[in-house]
Amino acid sequence: QVLQQESGSRLLKPSQTLSLSCAVSGDSFSIGGYSWTWLRQPPGKGLEWIGYINSLGISYYNPSLKSRVTMSVEGPKKQFSLTLSSVTTTDTAIYYCVRERTIARAFDIWGQGTLVTVSS
Amino acid sequence: DIVMTQSPDSLAVSLGERATINCKSSQSVLYSSDNKNYLAWYQQKPGQPPKLLIYWASARESGVPDRFSGSGSGTDFTLTISSLQAEDVAVYYCQQYFNTPPTFGQGTKVEI
Repeated sequence: QVLQQESGSRLLKPSQTLSLSCAVSGDSFSIGGYSWTWLRQPPGKGLEWIGYINSLGISYYNPSLKSRVTMSVEGPKKQFSLTLSSVTTTDTAIYYCVRERTIARAFDIWGQGTLVTVSS
Repeated sequence: DIVMTQSPDSLAVSLGERATINCKSSQSVLYSSDNKNYLAWYQQKPGQPPKLLIYWASARESGVPDRFSGSGSGTDFTLTISSLQAEDVAVYYCQQYFNTPPTFGQGTKVEI
């Protein structure tokens, strides 16, 4: 199982919208038992959970970001996506797409991460 | 949100010696319905994403060396590396998922 997300980095200006996608290889996208999650990590700092979406399209977002976050899933493509609107410098971070093993409530497969920098 | 606090922030251990990291949650993460602690441990090496080591406080993830072990219940947890190897140099995080949002400790840096 591999999560393939955009490599490298992105540069956004304040107030712009961040869009990221993640492709899932293997069969876990369709067999159930997993949720598809986004987490972020500001450079040199700790981890923050952004939210999850499952293969049925049911989502839950961190209340601290809820007003700006949208997640979606494309089953046939085995992809899930994150949109974060009205970014500010505090949104500068490495964004990871991650698989959550639902029964364990633990994050067992991680993408390599995309560095997103917000600067004017 | 549940606050996770790790101690120490960093520690230096000789090769082959034991490393112990503590994690305390601001409320219990023990689910009474299934008697499981929803507490996980991760290892993050520089330039890499975190790697799951332990879930349910003490269940070792497949492929993780048995020198890594987790213990504790309720609000107090420990990650132990029984015999530190050079490849274990990393930052270690605890994480709770008793309720949403899941939250992480601030990390503990382990050095030789």
